[in-house]
Amino acid sequence: KAGVTQTPRYLIKTRGQQVTLSCSPISGHRSVSWYQQTPGQGLQFLFEYFSETQRNKGNFPGRFSGRQFSNSRSEMNVSTLELGDSALYLCASSFRDTNRETQYFGPGTRLLVL
Amino acid sequence: SQQGEEDPQALSIQEGENATMNCSYKTSINNLQWYRQNSGRGLVHLILIRSNEREKHSGRLRVTLDTSKKSSSLLITASRAADTASYFCATDAFQGAQKLVFGQGTRLTINP
Repeated sequence: KAGVTQTPRYLIKTRGQQVTLSCSPISGHRSVSWYQQTPGQGLQFLFEYFSETQRNKGNFPGRFSGRQFSNSRSEMNVSTLELGDSALYLCASSFRDTNRETQYFGPGTRLLVL
Repeated sequence: SQQGEEDPQALSIQEGENATMNCSYKTSINNLQWYRQNSGRGLVHLILIRSNEREKHSGRLRVTLDTSKKSSSLLITASRAADTASYFCATDAFQGAQKLVFGQGTRLTINP
């Protein structure tokens, strides 16, 4: 099976712009979670989707949003970008929505905000 | 907020030696997972240990879990240069939520 794929892999934006990142989970996986990784804050949970429904959301401002499509692919959007949004954004997928399963991570999208 | 705290933050050893990393967490868990990350790339799942397990092996990896002390350790035996990476522990701190809470990681360097 193909692994989790994320597009684009690298992105440069300027402050105030918005950005959309895409994640395709492993075939058959219905749960997708998003994480932000920065040197200062480490890996932090953004949100999790299962069957097109957001099940949980981390402590991020409303500028961060996401959605999941019927084929389980997910997108996250960040509006009004700030310098501090520069980070590696990782998505992870798993088959079910329980917290007892391994999550499989994609390679990430590295976002640089200038 | 960080649930897990890895120790040490950085570790440098010679190839062939064993590497031990520790993780402590704060709340009750269902399971604890260890991940590896190479140079800012995606995370690779190494091993999952459930709260009712005390030890688990996978190849050169050995993970222990002590729920009474809220701690876990990852042992990599006979280290190789390719093991150079950051290692993270992650716990499922929230009931019903597909969410992992990560520690800050241990940066492991294997010197040839």
